[in-house]
Amino acid sequence: QVQLVQSGAEVKKPGASVKVSCKASGYTFTSYGINWVRQAPGQGLEWMGWISANNGDTSYAQKLQGRVTMTTDTSTSTAYMELKSLRSDDTAVYYCAKQSSNWSDASDIWGQGTMVTVSS
Amino acid sequence: SDVLTQPPSVSVAPGKTARITCEGNNIGSKSVHWYQQKPGQAPVLVVYDDRDRPSGIPERFSGSNSGNTATLTISRVEAGDEADYYCQVWDSSSDHPVFGGGTKLTVL
Repeated sequence: QVQLVQSGAEVKKPGASVKVSCKASGYTFTSYGINWVRQAPGQGLEWMGWISANNGDTSYAQKLQGRVTMTTDTSTSTAYMELKSLRSDDTAVYYCAKQSSNWSDASDIWGQGTMVTVSS
Repeated sequence: SDVLTQPPSVSVAPGKTARITCEGNNIGSKSVHWYQQKPGQAPVLVVYDDRDRPSGIPERFSGSNSGNTATLTISRVEAGDEADYYCQVWDSSSDHPVFGGGTKLTVL
């Protein structure tokens, strides 16, 4: 079945970087984009950015520009999200989500989430 | 950028109909998607493009969108429908998706 499996929980110190992976299976990876969405504890969903798994084009949320980098490895059907210069307010569950189609911005399949804790 | 306003909470008795709204300026001109999120779980798409359901989503879930309000309607509510629900649209001014603040549905 179609699924996205993310890497495990991370604990980082302020100023460090984190890289979260998202391995896709059950569909043609290069046919759909991947959205990254995060959720701080007790808060709502926040879109972080999108990457085309076909050509690597990216679009990032303005507030994260310069700190976030999204990449893909088509040989392993894996997407990555790296966030640098971590701060305490980056503590959140990070989700990858498959774009439902090339003409819709809905996300139809989500990873299980990766908890990233930023603490000194 | 678009601001989407959802009521923080909605309560409904089992078997009744729940309506969760998502308000935004001229939201009727946009495609609205709805997600269900149960505690400790990832979101699940329940309605996309205003009124379409992904495979596996019960017909009890339906959507509508007109003017400044989109609505997710859940008929014959069950205990298992208790969750947070988020609306989402594409914000053309910032060129990215935006989410509503979420609505906690409580089944009495």
